[in-house]
Amino acid sequence: QQKVQQSPESLSVPEGGMASLNCTSSDRNFQYFWWYRQHSGEGPKALMSIFSDGDKKEGRFTAHLNKASLHVSLHIRDSQPSDSALYFCAASEHSGGSNYKLTFGKGTLLTVTP
Amino acid sequence: AQTIHQWPVAEIKAVGSPLSLGCTIKGKSSPNLYWYWQATGGTLQQLFYSITVGQVESVVQLNLSASRPKDDQFILSTEKLLLSHSGFYLCAWSLLGGYEQYFGPGTRLTVL
Repeated sequence: QQKVQQSPESLSVPEGGMASLNCTSSDRNFQYFWWYRQHSGEGPKALMSIFSDGDKKEGRFTAHLNKASLHVSLHIRDSQPSDSALYFCAASEHSGGSNYKLTFGKGTLLTVTP
Repeated sequence: AQTIHQWPVAEIKAVGSPLSLGCTIKGKSSPNLYWYWQATGGTLQQLFYSITVGQVESVVQLNLSASRPKDDQFILSTEKLLLSHSGFYLCAWSLLGGYEQYFGPGTRLTVL
């Protein structure tokens, strides 16, 4: 069973619109979450991390974490065509020190239409 | 500034042939290094990680091996390729475990 599940598999939003991506972990050991973005043919790049309950905002991107339900979401406001990419949720058991294992979800393919 | 270089950019190999992929990180001393495999359009599967020269830990068994011969170099290899090895191989580094991982540009491998 996939330990990190993402939805939807694909999403299309108009330019200037809001994109909402979801991620849930089935493993209660996973308490620390990351969002990565991968443009076609490139390596992924980290967008943001979220380790505490609540919201975390960075520019047009807002992540929300609910540790009780192990649900994390990513909201992109004022979406731009350059935001079109594959978005991954990744989870780890702890945030620092000797943790080296990162588990990725299957990704959400976001398309922003002009 | 740190740079991460992977070679080759792409490779087409026959089933049963050997493989060696490389990764070099410049501008960062003693980074943690990682190898990932990605099926076309698929998820990222962590394969190996290394926290120091000569020490490599396996995360998943895919008939591949990894080595870290130098502080800034990470090598992924196998003696006999399978069709299932096709995909996108990504090297990454992090300052410490659990911190942001920085990915390289990847190597596209096609096994025929």
